[in-house]
Amino acid sequence: DGGITQSPKYLFRKEGQNVTLSCEQNLNHDAMYWYRQDPGQGLRLIYYSQIVNDFQKGDIAEGYSVSREKKESFPLTVTSAQKNPTAFYLCASSIDRDRGMTGYGYTFGSGTRLTVV
Amino acid sequence: DQQVKQNSPSLSVQEGRISILNCDYTNSMFDYFLWYKKYPAEGPTFLISISSIKDKNEDGRFTVFLNKSAKHLSLHIVPSQPGDSAVYFCAASARGTSGSRLTFGEGTQLTVNP
Repeated sequence: DGGITQSPKYLFRKEGQNVTLSCEQNLNHDAMYWYRQDPGQGLRLIYYSQIVNDFQKGDIAEGYSVSREKKESFPLTVTSAQKNPTAFYLCASSIDRDRGMTGYGYTFGSGTRLTVV
Repeated sequence: DQQVKQNSPSLSVQEGRISILNCDYTNSMFDYFLWYKKYPAEGPTFLISISSIKDKNEDGRFTVFLNKSAKHLSLHIVPSQPGDSAVYFCAASARGTSGSRLTFGEGTQLTVNP
């Protein structure tokens, strides 16, 4: 079955540590996205990538980094510079960015809950 | 600057009745609007969408209405079922605009009581 997989489901991080969240898709989608969900604030875009080896900052990129070395993988690193990293992180992919914005073929993973302890 | 707003954090309705979820936007460049449904510990799933050239789109029990002059859209679910209980996100995009992306509202928790 094609889909998008995020791991781990739950992640605990000590303050001052970097941590990497995994996102893998086997849908052959060109575009991939990282969102953050906080209570009362909806989904906010962190980074997105339309093609391998290219990515753009979203609305809240500070304290985060990404890479897109392979079409199927788009890992997100939460660095120690991120002031408030505790949140629910969602990865998504779409056939391409234009059709992603119409909802067509836009698929979300099941998310990773990151908690700073 | 919240360009897409869902002012009701929660809504409770009886099974069989109509559920109406509301969404307001401020960016006049938005030309495509979507609704997503999210269950706890899962990613959102696409529900229904509407282009700005239309004022209504219907898919089974779900209908989305768009009022461009008021910059307002709503999702109607009728009849509501207990399985509809979830968080509903409104989203908007400005296709063709450089750097554009989906912008999401805060979400509304719908509870349908048996």
